[in-house]
Amino acid sequence: GAGVSQTPSNKVTEKGKYVELRCDPISGHTALYWYRQSLGQGPEFLIYFQGTGAADDSGLPNDRFFAVRPEGSVSTLKIQRTERGDSAVYLCASSLMGQGVNSPLHFGNGTRLTVT
Amino acid sequence: QQQVKQSPQSLIVQKGGISIINCAYENTAFDYFPWYQQFPGKGPALLIAIRPDVSEKKEGRFTISFNKSAKQFSLHIMDSQPGDSATYFCAARQRALTFGSGTRLQVQP
Repeated sequence: GAGVSQTPSNKVTEKGKYVELRCDPISGHTALYWYRQSLGQGPEFLIYFQGTGAADDSGLPNDRFFAVRPEGSVSTLKIQRTERGDSAVYLCASSLMGQGVNSPLHFGNGTRLTVT
Repeated sequence: QQQVKQSPQSLIVQKGGISIINCAYENTAFDYFPWYQQFPGKGPALLIAIRPDVSEKKEGRFTISFNKSAKQFSLHIMDSQPGDSATYFCAARQRALTFGSGTRLQVQP
């Protein structure tokens, strides 16, 4: 079956612009996560959705970052007034329900965001 | 604040050898410890995971050893193969996963 799909795979934008990154989770997965991975580092948690609601957004670095999941499936990560420090790979992951031994995270291949 | 410390940063092993990667944590609220494998241009993929009430878990050539009192856990890759060359991340969960900084493993033929 299809895995987690992220689009676009690459995005280059100018400093100050607005970007949207899309994630299509595995069908039937209720939990969806956004992570950010800088070069040579491990993924860093941003936000977690259970269904349509953000269950934990404690990882969002500031109010320029926002994410939605209006119908409990597809999610969009939105970044306003992009800065060069926002350049990273943005990873989306989904799991059947929360995540643990019986409900592992499945990651997409990420969107590589470059802010020039 | 780095909640999960991973070492070494890089590792070179000969084909057939044992690869060992170590992680340490401070937060005793962590309740689930997975290891992920990541190839260039791909997202991380779950390799093996353990709960803190278990001291060891083995799946094929991959073994997690868990020491709750020392707050340390490690990944052992037996009979390492060139196809195992990748970056490995340990992680720990309280609400969401916290990842280590990664170990780049190179298995030489």
